[in-house]
Amino acid sequence: KAGVTQTPRYLIKTRGQQVTLSCSPISGHRSVSWYQQTPGQGLQFLFEYFSETQRNKGNFPGRFSGRQFSNSRSEMNVSTLELGDSALYLCASSLKFGAGIYGYTFGSGTRLTVV
Amino acid sequence: EDKVVQSPLSLVVHEGDTVTLNCSYEVTNFRSLLWYKQEKKAPTFLFMLTSSGIEKKSGRLSSILDKKELSSILNITATQTGDSAIYLCAVDNAGNMLTFGGGTRLMVKP
Repeated sequence: KAGVTQTPRYLIKTRGQQVTLSCSPISGHRSVSWYQQTPGQGLQFLFEYFSETQRNKGNFPGRFSGRQFSNSRSEMNVSTLELGDSALYLCASSLKFGAGIYGYTFGSGTRLTVV
Repeated sequence: EDKVVQSPLSLVVHEGDTVTLNCSYEVTNFRSLLWYKQEKKAPTFLFMLTSSGIEKKSGRLSSILDKKELSSILNITATQTGDSAIYLCAVDNAGNMLTFGGGTRLMVKP
């Protein structure tokens, strides 16, 4: 069974631009979470979506937003990019809302570089 | 604010050694503690612990949760070079978000 698929794998953007990242969860999984990973801050929670609704949000500015579609695919958008947004963005899916008994399954991430 | 701290930050051992990685946490509404292994990009799920004192095992890896001490350990016996990775501890609270520790970078030398 296919895992969590994130596209694109790599992205280079200029400060001030905006970017959209995509995540397709494991088939049948309805919850999608997004995390930002940087060397300085480690893995930090951005938001979680379940049944097209944002259920929880981390401490990130409003420039970070997301959405989930009826097929559970999710997109994350960052507007007005800053150098500090350079990071590995990881998406994780789970069957139901929350970690369940099998935890979250992570995708391989999108490496975003802002220049 | 929820907090997860892992120690040591990094560790270098030789093949065959046994290692113990530590994770301590302070979170409200604790639901479970999870361990992940991250080699390149995607963290891969190792264990989920919800009850104190119960050991979860998978081959050479095992983990125990101590809810009284708000901590967990991950043991790896007979280490192999393929165990080299960053090991991440995360706590799931009732808000359905994972709070991660900074990770322990393990290097296993042949």
